[in-house]
Amino acid sequence: GAVVSQHPSWVICKSGTSVKIECRSLDFQATTMFWYRQFPKQSLMLMATSNEGSKATYEQGVEKDKFLINHASLTLSTLTVTSAHPEDSSFYICSARRGRHTEAFFGQGTRLTVV
Amino acid sequence: SQKIEQNSEALNIQEGKTATLTCNYTNYSPAYLQWYRQDPGRGPVFLLLIRENEKEKRKERLKVTFDTTLKQSLFHITASQPADSATYLCALDMNRDDKIIFGKGTRLHILP
Repeated sequence: GAVVSQHPSWVICKSGTSVKIECRSLDFQATTMFWYRQFPKQSLMLMATSNEGSKATYEQGVEKDKFLINHASLTLSTLTVTSAHPEDSSFYICSARRGRHTEAFFGQGTRLTVV
Repeated sequence: SQKIEQNSEALNIQEGKTATLTCNYTNYSPAYLQWYRQDPGRGPVFLLLIRENEKEKRKERLKVTFDTTLKQSLFHITASQPADSATYLCALDMNRDDKIIFGKGTRLHILP
C-alpha cells in the first residue's frame, strides 16, 4: 500500500515557540492532504484540507494564523503551530489521498507537548 | 446539527464470534463511507470503502453495509480474533466537499 511519512513523531517545545510538522507521501502523488487533531479517546477532528499550490481550507473554529499549512508540492504538506501554548498539546495526524473518494493513507502522527 | 455516532465506546466480543459495529449519521450526505482501524498511538489504517449505491461490500472476514435511507452503516468482523482488538472508525467521504469526517470510534476487545 501507499506510504505517508510524518515527521517528527513527537516533539516537546516551550510555550511561545513555533513547531513545524512535515507530511510526505513517499510513493504517490497526493492531490489532497488533510490535517487532523486528536485528543485522548476522542475522534479525529479535521483541521484543514490542503491542495497543492493553493491555500488550505480550514474548518470552522480552526485559526488559520495559528495553524499554518503549506502544500508546496504533490508529495509534501507542512503544518506549523505558531506561538504554541500548552492547550495546543495534542496528537496531530496527516493523511493523503490520490484523488477524491479514494482511501486516505495516514502518517504515524506527531505527539506535540508544549511546556 | 451534523453528527456521526458510533454505537458504543467499547465492545467486548468472545473470540470466534461476529463483532458488529454501528455507525449512524445525521445531516450529512456522504457519497461514500469508509471504515478504518486505529491502534493506540498510531494513525488510522484503511479497511473498506462503500459507495452510496452499494448495499454491501466484503473483504475477507470483513463486511460493510450502507443504508442511505436509514443513514447507517454496519461493520462486521466474522470469526473474530484477539488481533482484531483495536478502535474502529467510521468515516464519511463527502459528496460536495473534498474531505473525510470521522466518527469517534468504537474500541473493540476480542476476548480469548
